[in-house]
Formats: sequence, structure tokens, C-alpha cells
Amino acid sequence: RKEVEQDPGPFNVPEGATVAFNCTYSNSASQSFFWYRQDCRKEPKLLMSVYSSGNEDGRFTAQLNRASQYISLLIRDSKLSDSATYLCAVNDAGNMLTFGGGTRLMVKP
Amino acid sequence: EADIYQTPRYLVIGTGKKITLECSQTMGHDKMYWYQQDPGMELHLIHYSYGVNSTEKGDLSSESTVSRIRTEHFPLTLESARPSHTSQYLCASSFTNTIYFGEGSWLTVV
Repeated sequence: RKEVEQDPGPFNVPEGATVAFNCTYSNSASQSFFWYRQDCRKEPKLLMSVYSSGNEDGRFTAQLNRASQYISLLIRDSKLSDSATYLCAVNDAGNMLTFGGGTRLMVKP
Repeated sequence: EADIYQTPRYLVIGTGKKITLECSQTMGHDKMYWYQQDPGMELHLIHYSYGVNSTEKGDLSSESTVSRIRTEHFPLTLESARPSHTSQYLCASSFTNTIYFGEGSWLTVV
């Protein structure tokens, strides 16, 4: 079993839709959680950190569920420009960040 | 924006050539990393460093080597490039657990 797992998608949604991705992690001792966005043939860029209380940044909301060991990313009112691959990252036992395989989102007109 | 720079951005070289991918960061971060990623595929950690004179191999076996003589510099070297080394190489650095990536170096070995 991978330490950090994501549904690879693609998630095909129309503009204006709400879409959510989950990311499960296996190390119950993990303390740091992040969502990154990666455009095609570009580097991953930090989208947001995920705090225990959850956090929101505009149309993006990140949540942490420690009991079930997953983090989620909710995107409201999807834009064409949201089309990208979304990577979750979780710190492992050695305090090294481990990335999931990414979830591809395609927002259609 | 993170101040982490990679050169060259794009490189096409012949089999058997030696190449060095440069990576520099101006943030004073102790931790630096090299990832390998094929288009549409997962990130694979190939090397990391927790500080000067510290280097470790990552999860994915790689024929490349790295050095960390200065905090800001973390070059990756391939002594004899092969077509199987064709990929994108991403350098990254971190101070705490937040990793920041360079723009990547696209290597094609023909």
C-alpha cells in the first residue's frame, strides 16, 4: 500500500461545478499536509496548507480528517483555469514530505 | 514565489555524455531535493540533502549523483547519460515542511 494515495482521475466537470478530491495517508503520526497544483509540463506549486481546523482560500477549501486519515480539497465554482493536476503531500515518519500521484482535473466550458 | 533556479531548462545530449544539472536557491534553506518526473506521471524523489556535506538517496534508484558543498547549491550529475535518463528533473528546497520547486530541467538523451 502506498503511503499517500489519490484517485488519478481525470475528473471532468463543467464550469461552475463544485468538485472535491480526497487523499488518503497511511502514517497516523503525520503532522503536515499540503495541496499542490501542477500544470502540464510545469513544476508543482503550493496551493495551500491543510490545518487541523481546515482552511479556506477563496473558492478552495481544504479539510483534514485524522480519524479516517485523509485530506480533502474542495473547489467551488470551477473555472477553466482550474484545470490541472492536484497533488497532496504528507510528511512521513522521517519527516520527509511524500507526494501522492496526483488527481487530474479538467474543467470543460 | 520561491527563489530556486535550475539550469539548463532544456537540454538535448548524446548517449554517453556527462551532464550536470544546476540548482541554486537564495532562501537559505537547509533541505534540498531532486525529483524525477515523466510527463503525466508521479514525482519520484531521487536525492535529498539536509545540509552541507549531507546527501542521501531517495526512494527511486538513480544513476545520478549529487553534491552539497554550499547551502545554496545542489547540482545533480549524470556521468554517462542514456536514453532511459530522458525525463524532467525538478529541484526543490524547504526550511520547514513546505517544499518549493524550481521550474525543472527537461533532459532528452538521444
